[in-house]
Amino acid sequence: EDQVTQSPEALRLQEGESSSLNCSYTVSGLRGLFWYRQDPGKGPEFLFTLYSAGEEKEKERLKATLTKKESFLHITAPKPEDSATYLCAVPGGTSYGKLTFGQGTILTVHP
Amino acid sequence: DTAVSQTPKYLVTQMGNDKSIKCEQNLGHDTMYWYKQDSKKFLKIMFSYNNKELIINETVPNRFSPKSPDKAHLNLHINSLELGDSAVYFCASSLTDRGIYEQYFGPGTRLTVT
Repeated sequence: EDQVTQSPEALRLQEGESSSLNCSYTVSGLRGLFWYRQDPGKGPEFLFTLYSAGEEKEKERLKATLTKKESFLHITAPKPEDSATYLCAVPGGTSYGKLTFGQGTILTVHP
Repeated sequence: DTAVSQTPKYLVTQMGNDKSIKCEQNLGHDTMYWYKQDSKKFLKIMFSYNNKELIINETVPNRFSPKSPDKAHLNLHINSLELGDSAVYFCASSLTDRGIYEQYFGPGTRLTVT
């Protein structure tokens, strides 16, 4: 069964303090890995898709990287508006389109 | 605006009632999904429809019945609501005919069963 584990569960940073979030996965035949951002009371917002080990994607202060066993979401010089829950997910190897999500990392950036 | 929309945003009802949640997407996607997010914020897929055909049906009580009248709409009907059904339900959609799986989510429906 596909498994996705995110760490840490919660992360508190000072504004400008860079850090990384981790997403470890176990899936038969990786078809991609997705990162989402979820603000309180809202639906997950798509950020990145990574398809193969070594791939990197960037958006503003966020950079996502992928290895054969895990993905990292690097946050450079975060701002308070980056505070949110960050979710990673992998599509199932056997069930067409099924996403297995991690439990998320709650990021809080203090000014 | 192009998006995935859901109605209602909030739904408060009593145990035993039947209720429906509606979802529409205007992104031109061919696959739609229902997810449940529990109190611990864990997102879990319930159903998926591709071109009006049910393709994913997770272990969900048969009190939950999805219906897709067309590619752009996916509704969720829940019979005999129970306290444990209280959660946030998200609709999502994706374009899968090209092997692209990223899903776009609606704003969610917070269901509270009293």
